[in-house]
Amino acid sequence: GAVVSQHPSRVICKSGTSVKIECRSLDFQATTMFWYRQFPKKSLMLMATSNEGSKATYEQGVEKDKFLINHASLTLSTLTVTSAHPEDSSFYICSARARRSYNEQFFGPGTRLTVL
Amino acid sequence: DAKTTQPTSMDCAEGRAANLPCNHSTISGNEYVYWYRQIHSQGPQYIIHGLKNNETNEMASLIITEDRKSSTLILPHATLRDTAVYYCIVRVYGGATNKLIFGTGTLLAVQP
Repeated sequence: GAVVSQHPSRVICKSGTSVKIECRSLDFQATTMFWYRQFPKKSLMLMATSNEGSKATYEQGVEKDKFLINHASLTLSTLTVTSAHPEDSSFYICSARARRSYNEQFFGPGTRLTVL
Repeated sequence: DAKTTQPTSMDCAEGRAANLPCNHSTISGNEYVYWYRQIHSQGPQYIIHGLKNNETNEMASLIITEDRKSSTLILPHATLRDTAVYYCIVRVYGGATNKLIFGTGTLLAVQP
């Protein structure tokens, strides 16, 4: 099956700093990538959808200036959490949809962000 | 996309079949039923999807009622590694920008 990787898997940072999370589709081209966040014991919440080469579409209530998404190529999307605060601590999961099929969507292993 | 309703949690004995129900009474004709699962602290894993016919793959079977208002995911011989949260999602098949919206899911606990 298709593989989606995320880096780093775990990051701890100080309040006020910015953190970048990378999402890569390793063996397929992804025209669309999605970013989710998940709080403990809660379901995944979709943050934004990004298409390669265009601006991301953010879900209602998600601050686009705080969560910067760049989908620079068909295999890489990045999420930057700017000026992170403790309430941004969460599990961030990316997902990629294969170019060959709009119905196959694969998830990365997630990144655990802890803001001190 | 139509909304789904699932029980919050279920138990199943190891080696027995696990039957996970899902209600999607407002599903429309062009919406498929998808099942994903999430093992603790990992990304979701695709299991199966279907429109109206029953489907089976190496992981599970999907039974969809004739009126399509509900479905059941069946894990034929549950193991301890099947303990996870199982999400039932309905969405339109195809389309460049359609999204997977996760509900609360069912926490399946497989007991030894």
